[in-house]
Amino acid sequence: AQTVTQSQPEMSVQEAETVTLSCTYDTSESDYYLFWYKQPPSRQMILVIRQEAYKQQNATENRFSVNFQKAAKSFSLKISDSQLGDAAMYFCAYRSAQIQGAQKLVFGQGTRLTINP
Amino acid sequence: DTAVSQTPKYLVTQMGNDKSIKCEQNLGHDTMYWYKQDSKKFLKIMFSYNNKELIINETVPNRFSPKSPDKAHLNLHINSLELGDSAVYFCASSQYPRGGALYNEQFFGPGTRLTVL
Repeated sequence: AQTVTQSQPEMSVQEAETVTLSCTYDTSESDYYLFWYKQPPSRQMILVIRQEAYKQQNATENRFSVNFQKAAKSFSLKISDSQLGDAAMYFCAYRSAQIQGAQKLVFGQGTRLTINP
Repeated sequence: DTAVSQTPKYLVTQMGNDKSIKCEQNLGHDTMYWYKQDSKKFLKIMFSYNNKELIINETVPNRFSPKSPDKAHLNLHINSLELGDSAVYFCASSQYPRGGALYNEQFFGPGTRLTVL
């Protein structure tokens, strides 16, 4: 079974600075997807960024980028130019790329990110 | 224009009662899910349905019974509610991968906060 671990329960950063959230995972599969989700106080789950394991290039979405290290099974999220609206719980998640019964997301424990003005 | 909707958003009830949470999606997806987020914010898959057929059941107590009357709806009925059932329950939907498309994003509903007293 796959597991996802986020070792930082809480992080804080000054507005406009850069912060990196860590995530490691365990799997025996070679093909899979990794995600970062944001959950603001509204509780809505918002997909921030996605990485396909077969792609070597790190995904980037505006101020959000990932550092994907497949051999190390590490998947960190970097937020540049942090904004007050970035304050939220961030969840790292894994999904198998196998079709059969593979659709579930496996989540990490979450990291609460605080932005200091 | 809501993509995935859940009713109710909040549910407060007594131990031992039976309650239902409804989920509807208007995205034309054929796969729907229930996730549970506990008091420590940990998110875990409970069930997944594809075309009204159960495909994932993650060792959830028999008191939880999902029902999918059609592809657009996945309801969750809980019998004999216990204190430990207090959580936020998220419904999600996606298109089941077929052909060469292995990845399909899961869209989450706003969550239902269930409080058992």
